[in-house]
Amino acid sequence: DSGVTQTPKHLITATGQRVTLRCSPRSGDLSVYWYQQSLDQGLQFLIQYYNGEERAKGNILERFSAQQFPDLHSELNLSSLELGDSALYFCASSVHGAGNTEAFFGQGTRLTVV
Amino acid sequence: DAKTTQPPSMDCAEGRAANLPCNHSTISGNEYVYWYRQIHSQGPQYIIHGLKNNETNEMASLIITEDRKSSTLILPHATLRDTAVYYCIAPGYNNNDMRFGAGTRLTVKP
Repeated sequence: DSGVTQTPKHLITATGQRVTLRCSPRSGDLSVYWYQQSLDQGLQFLIQYYNGEERAKGNILERFSAQQFPDLHSELNLSSLELGDSALYFCASSVHGAGNTEAFFGQGTRLTVV
Repeated sequence: DAKTTQPPSMDCAEGRAANLPCNHSTISGNEYVYWYRQIHSQGPQYIIHGLKNNETNEMASLIITEDRKSSTLILPHATLRDTAVYYCIAPGYNNNDMRFGAGTRLTVKP
């Protein structure tokens, strides 16, 4: 158990809909990272938050948005869903943004768009 | 472009050492090198990291060349449960570059 909690574990929704994925980082971790992993593909970095502020942005679509709340949990919002958005979405957290801290990953949310 | 390159796949016999290479010739002097692995579709798991000295923990050893242009992750006695995709990344001093490449798919064979 990494200490990072993602909910829900599974989500099935229709095209055009909007969903929210939630991530609770490990206690004390200030940084949160989001990743998308399509079937048999690599981990695509989406976005990073540090203590409530966006720190780095990767290949995140405009239909996707994220935020980190004062209690440090984070949400990834996916809207106007398409079939190609079906993927595993992982969240990771680390203590802080400096270079000597490892990240811990949750078990992911499997999103299926039908 | 990713700052690290790894071979796409490797095989290893069960019980033997698995040596996974990673090239990171463009990283700066204060950037750590991290290794993670992902077993099937589980969340990636942290293995080890280092800056310039060799490191060892209960999971693996990390050998970093003196010029820091490459490193090798060593699993001393590979088991079937070590079959996974192994990722080497250099996230930058502020961990602002947590991009993962394609990694190396290690298959441990009986």
